[in-house]
Amino acid sequence: DAMVIQNPRYQVTQFGKPVTLSCSQTLNHNVMYWYQQKSSQAPKLLFHYYDKDFNNEADTPDNFQSRRPNTSFCFLDIRSPGLGDAAMYLCATSRGGWVAGELFFGEGSRLTVL
Amino acid sequence: AQTVTQSQPEMSVQEAETVTLSCTYDTSENNYYLFWYKQPPSRQMILVIRQEAYKQQNATENRFSVNFQKAAKSFSLKISDSQLGDTAMYFCAFMEGNNDMRFGAGTRLTVKP
Repeated sequence: DAMVIQNPRYQVTQFGKPVTLSCSQTLNHNVMYWYQQKSSQAPKLLFHYYDKDFNNEADTPDNFQSRRPNTSFCFLDIRSPGLGDAAMYLCATSRGGWVAGELFFGEGSRLTVL
Repeated sequence: AQTVTQSQPEMSVQEAETVTLSCTYDTSENNYYLFWYKQPPSRQMILVIRQEAYKQQNATENRFSVNFQKAAKSFSLKISDSQLGDTAMYFCAFMEGNNDMRFGAGTRLTVKP
C-alpha cells in the first residue's frame, strides 16, 4: 500500500496560472518535505515542516508556498508558474528528530508549464 | 551549507559484476547521517543504505555496502553481483539533526546483460 501519495501525478498548467499539488501520508511522520527535481539533477529542497514548524530554504522563490493543515496532508502552491518551474515535485516524509531515519518518497507530481 | 558531490554522472556495469559509485561531502559537523537512494526509471526514490557518522563500521545491506571514510569525507557505494534491476539513478544524500536532507547530483547506473 502506498504510504506517501501525491496528486496529481501529472499537472499541465499555463504560464502564470496557479497550481496546487498535494501530498498525503499514512505513516504519521512528523516531517514532510517538498523537493523540486529537474531533469537529470539532484532533488532540491524547497521547504519542510517539522510538525507545524515551517522551514523555508533561503533560495526558495516566493512564488512557492506550502501549507500543512494536519499531520497527514501537505500542499505545495505555485502562485504564478513560469517555464522554469516545470519539474518533478517530490513529497517525502520522515520521523524526524535525532533518530534520523530514511525519507519515504511519493511517486512525484510532474508539472508542465505551457 | 553542506554540499554533496557525485563526480560520476553515468556508469555502466556488466550483470553479475561489481561497481562502485563515489560520493564526497563537505560539513563542519561531527554528527550526521549519510544515505544512498535509488531512483528507478519512472518510479519513486527508495533508500538503499544508511550510515551514521558516529559508527566506524561500514554499513552493509545484502549486495550493497559502503566505504565510509570520515576524515576524507568520502562515502562510496559498492554494488556486488549487479542485477538488471539495479539500473537506476543513485543519489548520495546527507542529513544533520535539522532534518534537512541534501542530495548529490546523482549517478546514472546502467547494468548491461
